[in-house]
Amino acid sequence: ETGVTQTPRHLVMGMTNKKSLKCEQHLGHNAMYWYKQSAKKPLELMFVYNFKEQTENNSVPSRFSPECPNSSHLFLHLHTLQPEDSALYLCASRAPERSSYNEQFFGPGTRLTVL
Amino acid sequence: DQQVKQNSPSLSVQEGRISILNCDYTNSMFDYFLWYKKYPAEGPTFLISISSIKDKNEDGRFTVFLNKSAKHLSLHIVPSQPGDSAVYFCAASYNQGAQKLVFGQGTRLTINP
Repeated sequence: ETGVTQTPRHLVMGMTNKKSLKCEQHLGHNAMYWYKQSAKKPLELMFVYNFKEQTENNSVPSRFSPECPNSSHLFLHLHTLQPEDSALYLCASRAPERSSYNEQFFGPGTRLTVL
Repeated sequence: DQQVKQNSPSLSVQEGRISILNCDYTNSMFDYFLWYKKYPAEGPTFLISISSIKDKNEDGRFTVFLNKSAKHLSLHIVPSQPGDSAVYFCAASYNQGAQKLVFGQGTRLTINP
């Protein structure tokens, strides 16, 4: 399988649930990202990982907890979410700097609904 | 305060004609700009990019123009095809790379047969 994959594609959870989103890339990239896209808003960067190390946390509430066990996998652990957290969560990856291309490649997203 | 703005939420164009999507930015430190295209139920896919040292980049039917003095860029698609119907996002970043992207709200382009 190639590209950036995300599971699950859809998730409905209650405010007291704990769930995890998974992202996997088979592109040999070393940087991975979580974005949030709410209705009628731009994509918002949440977290950035470079070589498994978190390099950016864009003031994201602690109820979102990222984990990057290796350069190919990225998780977003969710607990005690609020209804306003309902959104499309997108994962992306990027090739190392100074490669011939450095745009970000996105997965299909997980549509999250918090009840 | 949005640093990257796409002021047209939607655009409708006749098949075969030119589609022009616009994007404005406020931060003069941005030096790399990208356009992404998004179909429903899919993630954004990279379309074309431009560095701030250039004012034009062309790839097939797609051309991006950058006007640094006006802090404005545009994407031209010619001729427009029905498969071009999608949401188009403009994005900008620092340091000649795509490390940290700031996105616009998107413009929904509809190509009418």
